[in-house]
Order: sequence, then C-alpha cells, then structure tokens
Amino acid sequence: KQEVTQIPAALSVPEGENLVLNCSFTDSAIYNLQWFRQDPGKGLTSLLLIQSSQREQTSGRLNASLDKSSGRSTLYIAASQPGDSATYLCAVISLDSNYQLIWGAGTKLIIKP
Amino acid sequence: DTGVSQDPRHKITKRGQNVTFRCDPISEHNRLYWYRQTLGQGPEFLTYFQNEAQLEKSRLLSDRFSAERPKGSFSTLEIQRTEQGDSAMYLCASSSLRTDGIYEQYFGPGTRLTVT
Repeated sequence: KQEVTQIPAALSVPEGENLVLNCSFTDSAIYNLQWFRQDPGKGLTSLLLIQSSQREQTSGRLNASLDKSSGRSTLYIAASQPGDSATYLCAVISLDSNYQLIWGAGTKLIIKP
Repeated sequence: DTGVSQDPRHKITKRGQNVTFRCDPISEHNRLYWYRQTLGQGPEFLTYFQNEAQLEKSRLLSDRFSAERPKGSFSTLEIQRTEQGDSAMYLCASSSLRTDGIYEQYFGPGTRLTVT
C-alpha cells in the first residue's frame, strides 16, 4: 500500500532564503506526482505535476524534482517571500490506486519578513 | 467557467441532522472526486465518478454517506445523522484526460462542516 510522507511538518525561514521541501513515497510504481499549495481554510492549488517519465518541472521560482527509484521528490522554492507562507502537500497517483491521489500530510511553511 | 465551485463554503449543524453539499466541476471534465480533510492531515479519498457512474468508494464512505452525479455534471454529497467526527473540510475535484494521458485534478475551495 502506497504511503506518502512529508518531513518536516513545519518550517520557518527568513524572507529571501532558498528552501527545499521533501516528499517520500514507499512504492515507486507511480503515474505522476503533484505538489499543491493550501492556504489556511482554503482549497488546494496545483503547483507542479511531474509525470513518472520526467525528472523535474519548473514554474517561476518553483522547481520540483522526482527520483522514482529512491521514492523521493523535492520542491525547491527560490528567493522565498512572505506570500509563499502556506501548507505544501505532495500527492502521488500509484499504478494500483485507480487514479486516486494518495497524499502526504503537508509541510507548513512560514516565511518571516 | 473559471474552476470548480462548491456550495456552501461553511456549514454548521447539530449532531443527528442531515447535510448536503454541492460541487460544480469544470464543465468539460468527465471525472469528479470527493475528498475529506481534517486539520493537519492530507485529504482522504471518499469517492469518484466518471460521468454519472460512481466507480469507486472508499471504506471511509459509511452507509451514512451518499454521493450522486445524476446527469454527469454537478454532484452532491449527503451525510445523514451527522456525528461530531464528521467535522472536516470536504473537497471536490474534477479532471479530464489530457493529451499526454494524464488526469490532472483541479480542486474547489471546499465546504467546511462543523458538527456541534
């Protein structure tokens, strides 16, 4: 059974720093992996989707990498801003999950001005 | 059509009452999903539809929960005889098959349910 873990659960960094969020999954047989952002009390915004055949995806200051063999993904945020403060969740679609997203619990990120 | 919408955004109800939530997906999307999220956790899958057919239900979806998508467009999620443990954010998402073979899910703002 696929399990997704995100460590740390919370992270606080000063504005302007580059940072990395981690996501690990137990079964490498995945279709794709997505990173989402969630603001307090709000829904989920998709940031990046990496297909199983890809190694990374970039959007603006965000870069997500995928290493299927080791069951890991990272989300790199460059030049962090207070507006980046949110919870970041990763989710995978496994080959045996019938297109269901299987989620980590998220990393709560606080960017201090 | 600017995205997935959900109604209501917030619902407070007393234990034992029935509640119904609505989700309107992105119009051309044929798949619709319901998730439940409690504080500090990732979403948990409840059920999904392809067009009007309900293809899968989680064991989390007890007999008090029912979902419909009668015309393959909007969907409703009903919870009967609500319990305090039902308090959560209920999220809806929709997707369709991209040209690269990927179903990318787009989420609505959620309905926050509080059972008192």
